[in-house]
Amino acid sequence: TQLLEQSPQFLSIQEGENLTVYCNSSSVFSSLQWYRQEPGEGPVLLVTVVTGGEVKKLKRLTFQFGDARKDSSLHITAAQPGDTGLYLCAGAGNTGFQKLVFGTGTRLLVSP
Amino acid sequence: DARVTQTPRHKVTEMGQEVTMRCQPILGHNTVFWYRQTMMQGLELLAYFRNRAPLDDSGMPKDRFSAEMPDATLATLKIQPSEPRDSAVYFCASGQGLADYTDTQYFGPGTRLTVL
Repeated sequence: TQLLEQSPQFLSIQEGENLTVYCNSSSVFSSLQWYRQEPGEGPVLLVTVVTGGEVKKLKRLTFQFGDARKDSSLHITAAQPGDTGLYLCAGAGNTGFQKLVFGTGTRLLVSP
Repeated sequence: DARVTQTPRHKVTEMGQEVTMRCQPILGHNTVFWYRQTMMQGLELLAYFRNRAPLDDSGMPKDRFSAEMPDATLATLKIQPSEPRDSAVYFCASGQGLADYTDTQYFGPGTRLTVL
């Protein structure tokens, strides 16, 4: 069974601070996606990384896929209250089209 | 702005009752997924359809849960009989089914189910 552990589980910071969320597994994934979910809504895709060592930037968010494609990180620079939400990583394995395994989630609260 | 729609948004029912949740995938998408989200277990895949055919329902309790796609515009998830442990938010997602691992799943707003 493929498992994705995220850390930390909860993070409460002040506006303007930087933070990093980690997503770790003992399994290799073909791709790794990051989603953000806001209360009362479904998850929304932020990014997909495919190549080991790949780094993608989305404004103040930087995503990295580990060289061995077993782990990933999300770094937010100068967090804003609008970044508040549940961040989920999700890995696609080798079991077929788009069968995603979701991580345990990191709940982020950014206070003004 | 194409979106996945789900009905009902909220459902409160008593143990033993039948519950049916509906999902309308984005027009043109050929993959549909049902997920369940709880605080304890997180987001779990229940069932997965491609071109209306069930490809994987290994995450679904077979004795009480069933998932179908009567047509390309409707997916249903049924629980009969419902139990308190089924209380969760149920999400439907759809995708284009691209032949690689980079496809995007678009999630609906979810159905919050409470079984008393």
